[in-house]
Amino acid sequence: GDSVTQMEGPVTLSEEAFLTINCTYTATGYPSLFWYVQYPGEGLQLLLKATKADDKGSNKGFEATYRKETTSFHLEKGSVQVSDSAVYFCALGFVSGGYNKLIFGAGTRLAVHP
Amino acid sequence: NAGVTQTPKFRVLKTGQSMTLLCAQDMNHEYMYWYRQDPGMGLRLIHYSVGEGTTAKGEVPDGYNVSRLKKQNFLLGLESAAPSQTSVYFCASSSTGTNVLKQYFGPGTRLTVT
Repeated sequence: GDSVTQMEGPVTLSEEAFLTINCTYTATGYPSLFWYVQYPGEGLQLLLKATKADDKGSNKGFEATYRKETTSFHLEKGSVQVSDSAVYFCALGFVSGGYNKLIFGAGTRLAVHP
Repeated sequence: NAGVTQTPKFRVLKTGQSMTLLCAQDMNHEYMYWYRQDPGMGLRLIHYSVGEGTTAKGEVPDGYNVSRLKKQNFLLGLESAAPSQTSVYFCASSSTGTNVLKQYFGPGTRLTVT
């Protein structure tokens, strides 16, 4: 079945370090891909998305490229800040017969220290 | 603009008790969803609704019931709570059309069943 696999956390970085969070997926069709972020005590927020192969999603300095050949959607940021500390979820999504289906990975906790 | 709100924020139940979680959205979205979030498992869909008066089962519906009597509200009920239902519950909503997969999440309800 469809699934998403993320690297396990926590990921601990110093401020201004480079961030990569790996995400790979298994899907029978052609899903859209998403990164959601969950700040402490809050619900999930959409961070970025890509709807087809080779698309790059970007927002707030974060980027991810939809790689169909490697079934991956890795999240990157060149210089992290303390305020980026959160849990990051990779997800794939389909629209099928009125069922708008999102499948989430387990989440990766990021802690950024000054 | 409140977005998606959930009540209550926290609740402790004894095994066998019942309760209802309320979700409200003020964005006039057609689609609403209930998820549960468990450690190491990401979010899993319990039930969803594609419009007022409609509901459907998601990935893990057993032990839960839902109702969507008004477009802006989506209620999740536990008739006889079990310790396995200890979790964080998130409600989400989305519009139709090209942004249907962009879901807006509430802040969550942390439920403990003893």
